[in-house]
Amino acid sequence: EAQVTQNPRYLITVTGKKLTVTCSQNMNHEYMSWYRQDPGLGLRQIYYSMNVEVTDKGDVPEGYKVSRKEKRNFPLILESPSPNQTSLYFCASSLYSGSYNEQFFGPGTRLTVL
Amino acid sequence: GENVEQHPSTLSVQEGDSAVIKCTYSDSASNYFPWYKQELGKRPQLIIDIRSNVGEKKDQRIAVTLNKTAKHFSLHITETQPEDSAVYFCAAKSMNRDDKIIFGKGTRLHILP
Repeated sequence: EAQVTQNPRYLITVTGKKLTVTCSQNMNHEYMSWYRQDPGLGLRQIYYSMNVEVTDKGDVPEGYKVSRKEKRNFPLILESPSPNQTSLYFCASSLYSGSYNEQFFGPGTRLTVL
Repeated sequence: GENVEQHPSTLSVQEGDSAVIKCTYSDSASNYFPWYKQELGKRPQLIIDIRSNVGEKKDQRIAVTLNKTAKHFSLHITETQPEDSAVYFCAAKSMNRDDKIIFGKGTRLHILP
């Protein structure tokens, strides 16, 4: 089944404890992206990647890192999480980097930082 | 910077009536405008999109219109049904912004019985 998967789905952690949220897609998509969703603020792009070894900042990249060593994986790294990073995170992918492609979203990861 | 404004933030309509959600964008180089629907507890899913060379697109009960001069686009849902209850997000993508995509803040649509 063609899909985007994220792990973990739920995570409660403490301030300063490094964590990684994994994202994987099995559709051979070039483009991958991370978003955070907060009430009243909609979906905000954190980082995106147009292809392997190519990553760029979105609108809210502070406090996050990403890597794209393989086409299928795009992990989101929080080196030192803080409470303001408590949010619902979505990974998404689309076939090409060009403008007219549907993004397929993962199921979401709900992160709480205490 | 680039911005997408979406209105209203909440909308309640009687079942069977029409719903309209409006978005405006600031970057005149924006050329792709998708709409996503997010049901409660689920992931966003694309429901319709429009490119800048088209003024209107329709798919059954949903349609999107684009006014490039005014830099706004709208989602129209006719004959609303209970399953239309969800949060709807508009978005804009610009060739000037590499592949960054800007989403509106969302509209929570309630279909009243």
